[in-house]
Amino acid sequence: AQSVTQLGSHVSVSEGALVLLRCNYSSSVPPYLFWYVQYPNQGLQLLLKYTTGATLVKGINGFEAEFKKSETSFHLTKPSAHMSDAAEYFCAVRFTQGAQKLVFGQGTRLTINP
Amino acid sequence: EAGVAQSPRYKIIEKRQSVAFWCNPISGHATLYWYQQILGQGPKLLIQFQNNGVVDDSQLPKDRFSAERLKGVDSTLKIQPAKLEDSAVYLCASSLDVAGTGELFFGEGSRLTVL
Repeated sequence: AQSVTQLGSHVSVSEGALVLLRCNYSSSVPPYLFWYVQYPNQGLQLLLKYTTGATLVKGINGFEAEFKKSETSFHLTKPSAHMSDAAEYFCAVRFTQGAQKLVFGQGTRLTINP
Repeated sequence: EAGVAQSPRYKIIEKRQSVAFWCNPISGHATLYWYQQILGQGPKLLIQFQNNGVVDDSQLPKDRFSAERLKGVDSTLKIQPAKLEDSAVYLCASSLDVAGTGELFFGEGSRLTVL
């Protein structure tokens, strides 16, 4: 079955530290991959996406993600966390076979410690 | 450019009552989505429209939920009768493309509490 898994519902890092949020999907065919961020009481905002081409994609606010087909992963990273990065992050996958709906992971809440 | 507009932002009702949510997508966006986001979970697609036609409503509880997009612009999502488990944020989103590679633009959501 096609699914999206985010490892860790809560991640806490210190300000200035590396941020790593994990996302894995299950599909035999490479899908389209997205990361969205949600600040409190707001809608979701696109951080970055991978559809084709270069597997390392850069997004807004210094975030980037790498599509690794062999690992069926699309982990989100940022070299140095800022207090304003505290939010909920969602990995989303649009599978290119079958029902092509956009499926979201369960989310990872990122907390930044001063 | 105006974003996706949703109303109301908050609604509290008792179980078995009805509620309706309204969404106005970004001008020119052909595709409109309604997602349900339960606390602590990721958004779940309820229904997807392309213009005024339904593309996917496989996860819409059709015995109590209905949605329409009559003129291919704004949309209404209705719940009747509401159950306790319907307490969630209902997110509307729109996108310009139909190929699936484009960005979804989300509204701020309508938070429903069913007592």
